[in-house]
Amino acid sequence: AQKVTQAQTEISVVEKEDVTLDCVYETRDTTYYLFWYKQPPSGELVFLIRRNSFDEQNEISGRYSWNFQKSTSSFNFTITASQVVDSAVYFCALSEPPVNYGQNFVFGPGTRLSVLP
Amino acid sequence: GAVVSQHPSRVICKSGTSVKIECRSLDFQATTMFWYRQFPKQSLMLMATSNEGSKATYEQGVEKDKFLINHASLTLSTLTVTSAHPEDSSFYICSAYSSVISGNTIYFGEGSWLTVV
Repeated sequence: AQKVTQAQTEISVVEKEDVTLDCVYETRDTTYYLFWYKQPPSGELVFLIRRNSFDEQNEISGRYSWNFQKSTSSFNFTITASQVVDSAVYFCALSEPPVNYGQNFVFGPGTRLSVLP
Repeated sequence: GAVVSQHPSRVICKSGTSVKIECRSLDFQATTMFWYRQFPKQSLMLMATSNEGSKATYEQGVEKDKFLINHASLTLSTLTVTSAHPEDSSFYICSAYSSVISGNTIYFGEGSWLTVV
């Protein structure tokens, strides 16, 4: 069965520091999708990125960047020059087709990031 | 992106009463909707999968008689917590899937905070 591990339960950094959130996944499928979501205190899940298993190209979006490495089954997320507004819980998730089967979408336990002023 | 809306965002009800939470896909038809529950400082736990026009599939350990799910149309699913008790207090979040919208992505609602007093 698929599994997502986020070893860092909580991270605290000072504003403007860079921070990397780790995500390691397990799957037997060759086709799968990886996601990162941000959950602020208000609760909603904010979609950050989706990456399919055939696209290992790293991505950068503003201060956010993602490093996908199939060799280590990792999909790490880096925030550059962190800001207080980045404080939230971040979830990594794995989806295997067919995605309309609920158990095929698996969340990691989440990493709580606190950015201190 | 696709929009999924939940209502109410926050609800307080008395112990023993029932409360209904709605999940609507606003700009697409959702063939499948999912309901999750999230306890404080924990990840999202899949409760059930509902397909339009058919009975919901509940995950192991979820009481189907307590958490009634109805997916009567392609844009609306409801979760009714019957005879609510304080231990049912939690954050409930829905998501929706469309076979028409590509990307094997599911879209999340804003979530609903339920407090049973």
